[in-house]
Amino acid sequence: KQEVTQIPAALSVPEGENLVLNCSFTDSAIYNLQWFRQDPGKGLTSLLLIQSSQREQTSGRLNASLDKSSGRSTLYIAASQPGDSATYLCAVRPKGGGSNYKLTFGKGTLLTVNP
Amino acid sequence: DAGITQSPRHKVTETGTPVTLRCHQTENHRYMYWYRQDPGHGLRLIHYSYGVKDTDKGEVSDGYSVSRSKTEDFLLTLESATSSQTSVYFCAIGDREETQYFGPGTRLLVL
Repeated sequence: KQEVTQIPAALSVPEGENLVLNCSFTDSAIYNLQWFRQDPGKGLTSLLLIQSSQREQTSGRLNASLDKSSGRSTLYIAASQPGDSATYLCAVRPKGGGSNYKLTFGKGTLLTVNP
Repeated sequence: DAGITQSPRHKVTETGTPVTLRCHQTENHRYMYWYRQDPGHGLRLIHYSYGVKDTDKGEVSDGYSVSRSKTEDFLLTLESATSSQTSVYFCAIGDREETQYFGPGTRLLVL
């Protein structure tokens, strides 16, 4: 059974700092990995999706990397802003088979960026 | 927004009563999902649908049933609500190999 772990569970940083969020997964047979953002009381918004054949994806100040063999992904946020404060979740989609649309989520990292 | 709505957004009910939550999409996506989100457990899949009248169980399906009679609507029913079903419920839509788009959530309190 796939398990997804996110460390740290919470992170507080001053504005302007670069930071890294970590995600690890136990089964490397994945189709892709996604990073989501969730604001308090809201649904999830997809930030980046990395296919299993890719090493990284970038969108603006966000960069996500994937090392499938070691079961790790990182989300790098450059020059953090108070508006980046949210919970960040990673999710993996399994490879192949009839259930490869079932995502397994980590429990998230709560990020607070202080002005 | 991906054109996905959930109703109601908030509900308080009593133990033993039936509850139905509705997810409605305007995007014509084939796949629809119901998740629950709880502190300490994260997001867990309850049921999903891969087409009209085609549904299957997820990780935590006990006590829940679903129906999908139209592409745009996916209903989640708690046949007899229990306090352990107090949670935030999210609907998501997507196509097989794409990202999933999430609705705003329904907060359910079972007293």
